[in-house]
Amino acid sequence: AQKITQTQPGMFVQEKEAVTLDCTYDTSDPSYGLFWYKQPSSGEMIFLIYQGSYDQQNATEGRYSLNFQKARKSANLVISASQLGDSAMYFCAMREFNTGNQFYFGTGTSLTVIP
Amino acid sequence: SQTIHQWPATLVQPVGSPLSLECTVEGTSNPNLYWYRQAAGRGLQLLFYSVGIGQISSEVPQNLSASRPQDRQFILSSKKLLLSDSGFYLCAWSPRSNSPLHFGNGTRLTVT
Repeated sequence: AQKITQTQPGMFVQEKEAVTLDCTYDTSDPSYGLFWYKQPSSGEMIFLIYQGSYDQQNATEGRYSLNFQKARKSANLVISASQLGDSAMYFCAMREFNTGNQFYFGTGTSLTVIP
Repeated sequence: SQTIHQWPATLVQPVGSPLSLECTVEGTSNPNLYWYRQAAGRGLQLLFYSVGIGQISSEVPQNLSASRPQDRQFILSSKKLLLSDSGFYLCAWSPRSNSPLHFGNGTRLTVT
């Protein structure tokens, strides 16, 4: 079974609008972390936001917020007020803290911001 | 502050030639180190990770190998490259705590 599932290969959003990128995960480890990364066309991987499994509140970092629904095992990334520079690939990842040192990545979502 | 260096940025190699990609981390000690490969337009595939000097875990059987000769140095190698080894190789590190992966800028490898 896939540890991380991103079901949206590509998404479009109008500039200045908000967009939600979906991520679901699968784990039996009660202690885990969820991460989102941005990969522009240059290839670098940029860390955006982190959510721990025991965190009570949804994480926020500037225009990025994470809609964490633990019972549904989903960790969707919300980007508010989209900018042209947000056009990139976005990857969801998970780390299981009790079962190893691996980071599991989804297949990514390509976001295009339309002017 | 911690930094990660990965080189070279791009590499074109003929089939059957050897490969050596190097990655070093500065400003931290005893990091977990990782090698990922990304095929064009695809997700990240974990190749190797290491929790200490000489300790290498392989995730995918292939003609690649990894070594960690020093605490903050991680090397990806091949004795004979295949066409299917082409891709974007990313080195990354993380502390032992619940922290994110920090990536190098990657090496774009083309095997011809």
